[in-house]
Amino acid sequence: NAGVTQTPKFRVLKTGQSMTLLCAQDMNHEYMYWYRQDPGMGLRLIHYSVGEGTTAKGEVPDGYNVSRLKKQNFLLGLESAAPSQTSVYFCASSYPRGRLNEQFFGPGTRLTVL
Amino acid sequence: RKEVEQDPGPFNVPEGATVAFNCTYSNSASQSFFWYRQDCRKEPKLLMSVYSSGNEDGRFTAQLNRASQYISLLIRDSKLSDSATYLCAVANYGGSQGNLIFGKGTKLSVKP
Repeated sequence: NAGVTQTPKFRVLKTGQSMTLLCAQDMNHEYMYWYRQDPGMGLRLIHYSVGEGTTAKGEVPDGYNVSRLKKQNFLLGLESAAPSQTSVYFCASSYPRGRLNEQFFGPGTRLTVL
Repeated sequence: RKEVEQDPGPFNVPEGATVAFNCTYSNSASQSFFWYRQDCRKEPKLLMSVYSSGNEDGRFTAQLNRASQYISLLIRDSKLSDSATYLCAVANYGGSQGNLIFGKGTKLSVKP
């Protein structure tokens, strides 16, 4: 099993450009998440999904959109990138077992917006 | 008060030392607790789930103190390879689907 994979690994954008980050998991997990991690800020939840066709906002959703058309994929879109969106983006997935919701992370995408 | 707080460190310890990290949480309704390890420029990896009775995995022991609202991670006989940032995570239920709230991490550096 590959676990959670993310593409691309690195990307540089100019302000105003758009892009889509792809997350894929092969563990048949129901839940998927997008986080951003910035120095001194820790991991912050952007959007999440509790199943195919569903999405919900997290702590910092502004400037991002997501889609979960297939159970194994979760896409994060930036419609008009801003320098404040320079960050490391992590995708995670989980299969909640009762109250235990252990999340497994992908390797991350390092995004720089100039 | 922030929801999940950790001492950022760094904790600089010699090989073989015992080191302990604490993580405090503000929501008394929190129900699930985890420790993750994150190496430099890598993704967080689940180290341990924390159970009410406490749990041990080799050199690592995790404990939960609900009365004082903190979880702890004890590392015995530290190895150079234990050098990393340790993140605690807390899940609250109700309307949040059990989403995890992460602390900012505690950096550990084990020296020869």
